[in-house]
Amino acid sequence: DAGITQSPRHKVTETGTPVTLRCHQTENHRYMYWYRQDPGHGLRLIHYSYGVKDTDKGEVSDGYSVSRSKTEDFLLTLESATSSQTSVYFCAISEQGKSAEAFFGQGTRLTVV
Amino acid sequence: GIQVEQSPPDLILQEGANSTLRCNFSDSVNNLQWFHQNPWGQLINLFYIPSGTKQNGRLSATTVATERYSLLYISSSQTTDSGVYFCAAHGDNYGQNFVFGPGTRLSVLP
Repeated sequence: DAGITQSPRHKVTETGTPVTLRCHQTENHRYMYWYRQDPGHGLRLIHYSYGVKDTDKGEVSDGYSVSRSKTEDFLLTLESATSSQTSVYFCAISEQGKSAEAFFGQGTRLTVV
Repeated sequence: GIQVEQSPPDLILQEGANSTLRCNFSDSVNNLQWFHQNPWGQLINLFYIPSGTKQNGRLSATTVATERYSLLYISSSQTTDSGVYFCAAHGDNYGQNFVFGPGTRLSVLP
């Protein structure tokens, strides 16, 4: 299994609070991704990173920010959580981006009440 | 961006039956993968198959890139095959991302 660890695995938070999800990899892969999975929408890309301090927006980036200060860590931050951000969040990694196989973490279930 | 469609959306099989799942994509691709999401939500890599044919036990996959489709074959299905099967594709053109299809929900009955 690819060495990807997401933390926390489950979180319940209140509307308006900041939340940070962490993705940690031990594979030294260059590319890292954050997806959210919602019923009826499948998995959608939030943000991705193609190197340390290099990030870009995905399909559903509004309300989210990311940071990557080290190769192994990719953080997803909800500055002020809303109920619409209740979802399951997946982190993924790939060695070379679009032409390489992607591997996914176990997911983080976030509930905003 | 690239569009990914899957069919059928739902499939119910008796244990031991065979099935074929289809994935259509709208543009040329660098990467085409099949995943199985098990009932616990884990995404399991099945195949990395931008072109050609691969086999892994009872599962095999074929991608015909020139005709923009991929097929996943499951033979002698087992109850543990139940879950959702996703294909995902990365478009070849600049700026495209890794896009998932809506999935096929498979239920294998004992």
